[in-house]
Amino acid sequence: EAQVTQNPRYLITVTGKKLTVTCSQNMNHEYMSWYRQDPGLGLRQIYYSMNVEVTDKGDVPEGYKVSRKEKRNFPLILESPSPNQTSLYFCASTSPVDSYNEQFFGPGTRLTVL
Amino acid sequence: AQSVTQLGSHVSVSEGALVLLRCNYSSSVPPYLFWYVQYPNQGLQLLLKYTSAATLVKGINGFEAEFKKSETSYHLTKPSAHMSDAAEYFCAAGTGTASKLTFGTGTRLQVTL
Repeated sequence: EAQVTQNPRYLITVTGKKLTVTCSQNMNHEYMSWYRQDPGLGLRQIYYSMNVEVTDKGDVPEGYKVSRKEKRNFPLILESPSPNQTSLYFCASTSPVDSYNEQFFGPGTRLTVL
Repeated sequence: AQSVTQLGSHVSVSEGALVLLRCNYSSSVPPYLFWYVQYPNQGLQLLLKYTSAATLVKGINGFEAEFKKSETSYHLTKPSAHMSDAAEYFCAAGTGTASKLTFGTGTRLQVTL
């Protein structure tokens, strides 16, 4: 089954404690992205990657890091989380050839930073 | 920069009534346009997409959307609402590069008896 998976689905942590949210896709997509969803703001892109070792900032990159060492994986790293990073996070993937920009989304990770 | 505007953060309709969710985009180049639905505590599911092949697009669950270039709009409709349609709906646009979708702020649809 074609899918994007994220782990963990729920995470409660404290300010300053480094964390990683993993994302993996099995569709051989070149492009992967991270979005955060906040009430009244819709989804905003954090970072994206166009292929292995190629990443770039989205609209709200402050406080986040990403890496793309393998085509299927795109982890999101919060090195020193703060309460304003409490949000619902989605990973997405797409192919520029097949998908007309359609993003395939993971199930989401709900993060709470105390 | 591309922007997407959804008019009405909350829309309430009676079961069986017409659903109309509004979306306008800002772009001189017609973008790729999408409607996604998010049911409570779930991820995003694609309802339908416009890719220039047809201006009237039919999606899942009886929804459809019409692309109107002159109005820069891509409104979502359904002739008869069902209780199971209660969810949050997002309009999104992509242009050129596949690296990003720009989302509207979402419309929460409530369906009442």
